[in-house]
Amino acid sequence: GAVVSQHPSWVICKSGTSVKIECRSLDFQATTMFWYRQFPKQSLMLMATSNEGSKATYEQGVEKDKFLINHASLTLSTLTVTSAHPEDSSFYICSARDSSGRRTGELFFGEGSRLTVL
Amino acid sequence: KNQVEQSPQSLIILEGKNCTLQCNYTVSPFSNLRWYKQDTGRGPVSLTIMTFSENTKSNGRYTATLDADTKQSSLHITASQLSDSASYICVVSQAGTALIFGKGTTLSVSS
Repeated sequence: GAVVSQHPSWVICKSGTSVKIECRSLDFQATTMFWYRQFPKQSLMLMATSNEGSKATYEQGVEKDKFLINHASLTLSTLTVTSAHPEDSSFYICSARDSSGRRTGELFFGEGSRLTVL
Repeated sequence: KNQVEQSPQSLIILEGKNCTLQCNYTVSPFSNLRWYKQDTGRGPVSLTIMTFSENTKSNGRYTATLDADTKQSSLHITASQLSDSASYICVVSQAGTALIFGKGTTLSVSS
């Protein structure tokens, strides 16, 4: 089946540093990828929609300068948390749709990346 | 307002028992409804995806139902196993690209 890979799966960083998380679709192309944030015992919250070759669309309340998204190819989207602070500590998950249309409507999730900011 | 409500919020059952999780939605226009299983600290994994015309869909011990008229869905788990302990998330797709997530039901299966 389709696989979406995230890297790193967990990261610990110091306050003020920037952290990049990668999301790759391994066996399909995805013109659209989605980034979510999940706090403990809560549901996924959509942060932004990443569009290949164009700017990401951010949800209300999500700072685009804080969470930089780049979708440089049909198989890779990156989320960079800039100047991270402890309140940015969370579980970040990406998802992707198969652009080929072979699996219409199917949405595949990555394994998630746990960020801890000290 | 487009919403997805799941119940119960949490559930504890004994291993081997059956259980049913509920999902009610007010999303319109409706495209499809998905059930995902999310283990702690992992990404969600798809269980079923149902379109408007589908009433029932099974995936092993998981059976999802959809009543598009009443805008209700259920996920029935048969002969539960310890590995079924997870959060189950109902996601409704609004025609277009918008996905509306439920808050999930946390299932704990004990021996």
